[in-house]
Amino acid sequence: RKEVEQDPGPFNVPEGATVAFNCTYSNSASQSFFWYRQDCRKEPKLLMSVYSSGNEDGRFTAQLNRASQYISLLIRDSKLSDSATYLCVVMTYNQGGKLIFGQGTELSVKP
Amino acid sequence: DAMVIQNPRYQVTQFGKPVTLSCSQTLNHNVMYWYQQKSSQAPKLLFHYYDKDFNNEADTPDNFQSRRPNTSFCFLDIRSPGLGDTAMYLCATSRDVRQGRNGANVLTFGAGSRLTVL
Repeated sequence: RKEVEQDPGPFNVPEGATVAFNCTYSNSASQSFFWYRQDCRKEPKLLMSVYSSGNEDGRFTAQLNRASQYISLLIRDSKLSDSATYLCVVMTYNQGGKLIFGQGTELSVKP
Repeated sequence: DAMVIQNPRYQVTQFGKPVTLSCSQTLNHNVMYWYQQKSSQAPKLLFHYYDKDFNNEADTPDNFQSRRPNTSFCFLDIRSPGLGDTAMYLCATSRDVRQGRNGANVLTFGAGSRLTVL
């Protein structure tokens, strides 16, 4: 079983749609969680950290369920510029603080 | 201004010809990472340095070595590249992951070095 698993993609949605990505992690000792965005042939960039209480940044909402070891990202009112690959990232301090990436979910927003 | 700089951005090499990729940072971050990302796959951690403390992933081939001569620089050496080593190599830094301070474990990536082995 992979340490971090994400929904298989690609997701093809029209502009204005709401889209949700899911991610599960296997190590219950994991302590920090993030969503990164990666554009084609570019480096990953931090989209948002994920906190236990859930957090929102504009059109983006991230949630964490520690009991189910599950993280989600919701994008409302999708824009063409949201087209990218979204990577779920999990950190576990007892493994020396390494960050493990999920395989990513590709999103394509169409006009 | 770029804060994590990788060189070269693009490298083509022959099978078996050693390659060195470099990474420098102006952030004064304790931790530096090397990730390998193949096409349509997740970045895969090869190793990381916490200060001078080297942490190798168990499944990182011996063909991959790293050096960190000082806080600002880190190198990835591929001693005998194979065709399967064609990938984007990403360097990243973070401030102090082991303390868990807010924001300390956020990664800042360089733009990557795209390696092609022929």
